[in-house]
Amino acid sequence: EVQLLESGGGLVHPGKSLRLSCDVSGFTFSDYAMNWVRQAPGKGLEWVSGISGSGGTTHYVDSVKGRFTISRDNSRNTLYLQMDSLRAEDTAIYYCAKSSPVGIYCDYWGHGTLVTVSS
Amino acid sequence: AIRMTQSPSSLSASTGDRVTITCRASQDIVNYLAWFQQKPGKAPKLLISGTSTLQSGVPSRFSGSGSGTDFTLSISSLQSEDFATYYCQQYYNYPPTFGQGTKVEIK
Repeated sequence: EVQLLESGGGLVHPGKSLRLSCDVSGFTFSDYAMNWVRQAPGKGLEWVSGISGSGGTTHYVDSVKGRFTISRDNSRNTLYLQMDSLRAEDTAIYYCAKSSPVGIYCDYWGHGTLVTVSS
Repeated sequence: AIRMTQSPSSLSASTGDRVTITCRASQDIVNYLAWFQQKPGKAPKLLISGTSTLQSGVPSRFSGSGSGTDFTLSISSLQSEDFATYYCQQYYNYPPTFGQGTKVEIK
């Protein structure tokens, strides 16, 4: 059974940093690209970042480029999102999601972790 | 980035009704279109990929169609468990982008 479990969310002041983690099981982690998708309170879904199975290729939405860094540790079956220079508009539930084998859409999702950026 | 526009933003329907949601892309995305269902407090669930391919376990009352820029999600006979918010997503290129969502409510 595929399982994705996010952690690391919380309340943080504007300008500060936070690192999210996602522990996965139930599939060969290194074989699949992974993603972070967020959802602001009461709003829709926004893809944030993606990383290839090897970790050698990364992609970001423009609004987080230069501030967020996606990475993975295939020996630990863990995905990360380092979030720096956080802004109020980064407040959202952050979902870890596995890419399908055939396209950049997400076939399995974690339950999400809430990040609140506020003074 | 490719802009995805869903209509309507919300709709009210009764159990047993046929429901259709439309998704329009700002440029040709061929058939690289997925549909997700999200219930309150839950993570999104993948329903359809490749415009019309139902994921394992998704009831056959759900169907998808379209190509190029215009796509639809249909529910042939709405059931109580189908009341939720539905999102389309293009995965033709980066960044993958979602529509704003369509909330299906009980009439």
